[in-house]
Order: sequence, then structure tokens, then C-alpha cells
Amino acid sequence: QVQLVESGGGVVQPGGSLRLSCAVSGFPLTTYGAHWVRQAPGKGLEWVAFIRYDGNKYSADSLRGRFTISRDTSKNTVFLQMNSLRGEDTAVYYCTKTSYCKSITCPLGYYYMDVWGKGTTVTVAS
Amino acid sequence: QTVVTQEPSLSVSPGGTVTITCGLRSDSVSGTDYPTWYQQTAGQAPRMLIHSTDTRSSGVPDRFSGSILGNKAALTITGAQADDESDYYCVLCPGGGNWVFGGGTKLTVL
Repeated sequence: QVQLVESGGGVVQPGGSLRLSCAVSGFPLTTYGAHWVRQAPGKGLEWVAFIRYDGNKYSADSLRGRFTISRDTSKNTVFLQMNSLRGEDTAVYYCTKTSYCKSITCPLGYYYMDVWGKGTTVTVAS
Repeated sequence: QTVVTQEPSLSVSPGGTVTITCGLRSDSVSGTDYPTWYQQTAGQAPRMLIHSTDTRSSGVPDRFSGSILGNKAALTITGAQADDESDYYCVLCPGGGNWVFGGGTKLTVL
């Protein structure tokens, strides 16, 4: 069945870097996309980044330049590289699978987040 | 900057009907924004309820429905139950490869 397992969270000092991993099973990353979504303590959900089935990437304007999404299709794993971390990056980071639409003509909005992992916690503190 | 609005909190009586809305501060919501709705209970990952405005996810009870009401997307719960007490989030993709979540609605069933 479809499963997403995030890892790599932890405590990091301000200005530091962290790479999150999302190991997926039950679906190929060459056919389905993946998002990263985060949730700060007591706050709402915030979209971070998306990688489409063909490897095209999109990221939130406010995070572009510091956060980068990537994948290793041979390992069925999605990554989130986070640099220059700040206190406001403290959050639970969720990895999600997207719906199926394997065509470059698919509207981007069709790649909704349909299955979510349990999340990994990142704490930025000195 | 795109801002998606939701009611911060709502309450409903058991068996009652409640509608949560999802709007854009500077525009109308339409089907091409692909409104999607999630339910999140405390300490859990979100669960998808509705996608593409009004398509219910597999296993979601039919008391949950999605629509466009006026210039907003809407999630309606008809015949609310105690375990519907959760946080509800909408997300829109108003173009350009950018997904924007609403601030969430805390629903109380009392």
C-alpha cells in the first residue's frame, strides 16, 4: 500500500542546514509527484515545495533560495535540503504524495496532496 | 502575495449542518483553483476529504461535501457527529505552481 516515511528531523542551530528524506513505497516517483508541507507549533499548514513526476520543481516564494526539493528515483526517496535555518523554520515537515496526472498538459493545481506521511520534527534553536 | 481566508472557528450542534468557506482576499475562487479540503485532528497528519472542488476522497462519509458558493469554495458537513470536531484546512492552487493554504478552521461540535 502507499506509504511515506519522513526522517532527518532534529535540533539544529540557527544558520545551520538539514536534509530531510521521505522514503515512499507503493507508488513510483516517476509517475506521481510529491510535496513538502510544514506546520509550525500551534499554527496552520504551509506549502513548501513540489516535485512533479518528470522532475520539474516548484517552491514557495518565501523559501526559494534556502530550501530545495529533489529526489532519487532509484531509491524512491524525496529530499528537502534546508539551508540558513531560522527559528521560524521550526515545524513538523510532512511529505505527501500527489494525485496521478502524467502529462505536461495537466494543470498544476491537479497535483493535490492525497496521501500524507506522519511527519518529522525540525527544531531550530541555539 | 496570495492570501486564502477561512473562518478561524465555527461550532455546530450534533446532527446539525455547518459550512466552512475558503476565499481569496483579492479574487473569486473557481474550479480552476482546484480547492482541496483536509481534516486534521490533534497530533495527526492531515487527511484529504475533498479534492477538485467537490470530489470526495475514498472512504470519506457522504455527509462531507464540497462546492463553490458565491465567490468561495465551501466544505459542508451535514449531520455533524462528535468525531467531526477537528481542524479543517483548504488549499488552493491559483496558478504559477504555488499552493496556498487557508489559516484553518477549528470546528467544535457541541
